[in-house]
Amino acid sequence: EVQLVESGGGLVQPGGSLRLSCAASGFTFSNYAMSWVRQAPGKGLEWVSAISGSGGSTYYADSVKGRFTISRDNSKNTLYMQMDSLRAEDTAVYYCAKFYDGSGYCRGAFDIWGQGTMVTVSS
Amino acid sequence: EIVMTQSPATLSVSPGERATLSCRASQTVNSNLAWYQQKPGQAPRLLIYRASTRATGIPARFSGSGSGTEFTLTISSLQSEDFAFYYCQQYNNWPTFTFGQGTKLEIK
Repeated sequence: EVQLVESGGGLVQPGGSLRLSCAASGFTFSNYAMSWVRQAPGKGLEWVSAISGSGGSTYYADSVKGRFTISRDNSKNTLYMQMDSLRAEDTAVYYCAKFYDGSGYCRGAFDIWGQGTMVTVSS
Repeated sequence: EIVMTQSPATLSVSPGERATLSCRASQTVNSNLAWYQQKPGQAPRLLIYRASTRATGIPARFSGSGSGTEFTLTISSLQSEDFAFYYCQQYNNWPTFTFGQGTKLEIK
């Protein structure tokens, strides 16, 4: 069964840091680009970041550029998001998602999503 | 940035009837559009990609149409489990992606 399981969310003060993880199983992880998508409480979906299958290419939304860093360890089938200089507006459920395109490029729709991990930025 | 606009914000439909949801792009996205369903407390689920191709396991009552800037998701004969939020997403402008603000499909 194809599965994504996020972890690492929690309560952090403004200006603080947090590292999210997403463990993948049931597919050849290195063949697929991956992404993070977030959803603020009561709001819609916002794309945050993406990384190619090899990890050599990374992309960010303007709202997080320079503060968040996406990475992956293909030997551990795990996706990461290092979140620094956190702000109140970063409060959201963070989902990891798999691109359905098996080329390894960051293109296409997201066919598999994790259950999400909640990040709350508050003093 | 390509802006995706969904309408209506809320759609009230009776079970067994047809629902039609719309999504408009601020510039052409060709057929690079997906639809997702999200129920409260759950992750989104891919319904449609490439504007009209159903994802694996999606019932035939879900259909997508359109290209360029105008898209439609149609759900024929609504079932109780179909009442949820629906989001469109463009991926023409990869590697950046934008979602619509969502449509809430509620029971009339």
